[in-house]
Amino acid sequence: QKEVEQDPGPLSVPEGAIVSLNCTYSNSAFQYFMWYRQYSRKGPELLMYTYSSGNKEDGRFTAQVDKSSKYISLFIRDSQPSDSATYLCAMGNSGGYQKVTFGTGTKLQVIP
Amino acid sequence: NAGVTQTPKFQVLKTGQSMTLQCAQDMNHNSMYWYRQDPGMGLRLIYYSASEGTTDKGEVPNGYNVSRLNKREFSLRLESAAPSQTSVYFCASGEGIYEQYFGPGTRLTVT
Repeated sequence: QKEVEQDPGPLSVPEGAIVSLNCTYSNSAFQYFMWYRQYSRKGPELLMYTYSSGNKEDGRFTAQVDKSSKYISLFIRDSQPSDSATYLCAMGNSGGYQKVTFGTGTKLQVIP
Repeated sequence: NAGVTQTPKFQVLKTGQSMTLQCAQDMNHNSMYWYRQDPGMGLRLIYYSASEGTTDKGEVPNGYNVSRLNKREFSLRLESAAPSQTSVYFCASGEGIYEQYFGPGTRLTVT
């Protein structure tokens, strides 16, 4: 079993839809939870991060962490064709070994 | 402000050949990382450098060596390339585990 599980998709939605992207994990030591966006043939770029549990909002993006269920989500409101990309979740802890574990990514396509 | 730059963008090697992937960052970050990205496997850490003068193995270090030349530059060397090293390689830099800035990647094919 992988430490971080993410549905690869692809996920196709119409423009304006609310998108929900999710990851589950098994390591209860994870404290930092990140979402990266990766456009085709580009490097990942950080969208947002959350420390421990709770919600964080940034514009049309909301990240949620439920540590009791070991489940994190990224919601995209009013999705746009420019949101079409692969979304990677990532997690880590603040121990001495600064290791981040990435999910395999969910490919999202927003149809105009 | 270029961020993280990587050279080359593409490379084709024959089995047994060697090459060095170059990475530089202009954000004055202490930490730098090398990842490989393969379909279905996600990003996997090869080596990282927490600060100038230090390097540590990541999840998949076999077949690779690294050099932290100075605070800006972190290179990855393949001494004897194998087909299993065909991948997309990303360099990243950052100040905390929660924030890494990635370069554009190097697409490497080993035949």
